[in-house]
Amino acid sequence: DGGITQSPKYLFRKEGQNVTLSCEQNLNHDAMYWYRQDPGQGLRLIYYSQIVNDFQKGDIAEGYSVSREKKESFPLTVTSAQKNPTAFYLCASSKRTGQFGEQFFGPGTRLTVL
Amino acid sequence: AQSVTQLDSQVPVFEEAPVELRCNYSSSVSVYLFWYVQYPNQGLQLLLKYLSGSTLVKGINGFEAEFNKSQTSFHLRKPSVHISDTAEYFCAVRDNTDKLIFGTGTRLQVFP
Repeated sequence: DGGITQSPKYLFRKEGQNVTLSCEQNLNHDAMYWYRQDPGQGLRLIYYSQIVNDFQKGDIAEGYSVSREKKESFPLTVTSAQKNPTAFYLCASSKRTGQFGEQFFGPGTRLTVL
Repeated sequence: AQSVTQLDSQVPVFEEAPVELRCNYSSSVSVYLFWYVQYPNQGLQLLLKYLSGSTLVKGINGFEAEFNKSQTSFHLRKPSVHISDTAEYFCAVRDNTDKLIFGTGTRLQVFP
């Protein structure tokens, strides 16, 4: 079955530690996205990538970093510079931009910083 | 800039009653609109989308939405809800760089 996988589902880290969230897709999509979800705020875009080896900042990129070395993979690193990292993180992918923008979502990773 | 407003943060309704979840958008480009559903601790699933053509769009699970250009609205409706429809619903518009702009969500709570 084609889809998007995110791991782990739950992640606990101590304050000041960097942590990397995994996102893999086998839909052969060109574009991939990372969102952060907080209660009552909807989804906010962190980073997106339209093609391998290229990515762009979204609305709340500070304290986060990404890489796109392979088409299938778009890992997100939450660095110690992120002031309030506890949140639900969602990865998504879509066909090449310009084709209606429909995005498919992974199951999410809930990060809790203690 | 494009934006989406979901006017109701929570909508309580009894089972088998009709429901409408409201969404208004602003966009200066051709409008592509989406409704997604999110069950607790899960990702988002596409319910339906408007790209062009008929203004009444039918989606999965018996939901439908109507695109109203003059009122800049894309309200989601279901004639009879089930307990299993309890979830959070997000309206989204595609912006002029092909990214999605999401509303803040509406929590639909269906009571027996």
